Amino acid sequence: EPEVTQTPSHQVTQMGQEVILRCVPISNHLYFYWYRQILGQKVEFLVSFYNNEISEKSEIFDDQFSVERPDGSNFTLKIRSTKLEDSAMYFCASSGLAGGQDTQYFGPGTRLTVL
Amino acid sequence: KNQVEQSPQSLIILEGKNCTLQCNYTVSPFSNLRWYKQDTGRGPVSLTIMTFSENTKSNGRYTATLDADTKQSSLHITASQLSDSASYICVVSFPMNRDDKIIFGKGTRLHILP
Repeated sequence: EPEVTQTPSHQVTQMGQEVILRCVPISNHLYFYWYRQILGQKVEFLVSFYNNEISEKSEIFDDQFSVERPDGSNFTLKIRSTKLEDSAMYFCASSGLAGGQDTQYFGPGTRLTVL
Repeated sequence: KNQVEQSPQSLIILEGKNCTLQCNYTVSPFSNLRWYKQDTGRGPVSLTIMTFSENTKSNGRYTATLDADTKQSSLHITASQLSDSASYICVVSFPMNRDDKIIFGKGTRLHILP
């Protein structure tokens, strides 16, 4: 069964450094998402992406964040200058239809630790 | 303010027993409501998805109900198994400018004891 994959599984970085989290969505999906989950808290929506542009973004997704689909398979989340409070699990998801209409398939997540 | 509230926060039951988890939302307008299962340290896995016109949806031992008038949903788990131990998350979508916006509940942590 096709699945969403994410790399790395765990990323440790120093505050102020840039990180890029990578995701390979399910191949025939058209809608892509990033979420984060701070330890012990609920999952929070960051951004949705369709047709090579951002569809929606949350208040969390400020100028420090950017997303890109550099080729036909990868979908990346970049955090330009990490802060301690960026430490969280970051989940990528994809769906065949717009997020409100179809099941989203989540990847296993990348645990980001900012020191 | 659009919110999704789940109860109870945590629940402990014996293997083989049934249980029901609750979700109340204030989201309006409303696209659909989903229940996810999230094992510790893993990504959420979809269990059911319902639009406002559906009032029940089953997936094996999981049955979700939806009352769009009272803005309540429940997830009923029948004959629980040890592998059902996880967080169960209610997620509500509502239409925004170009895509739906998605709000997650905090989840109910379910523990199944042998």
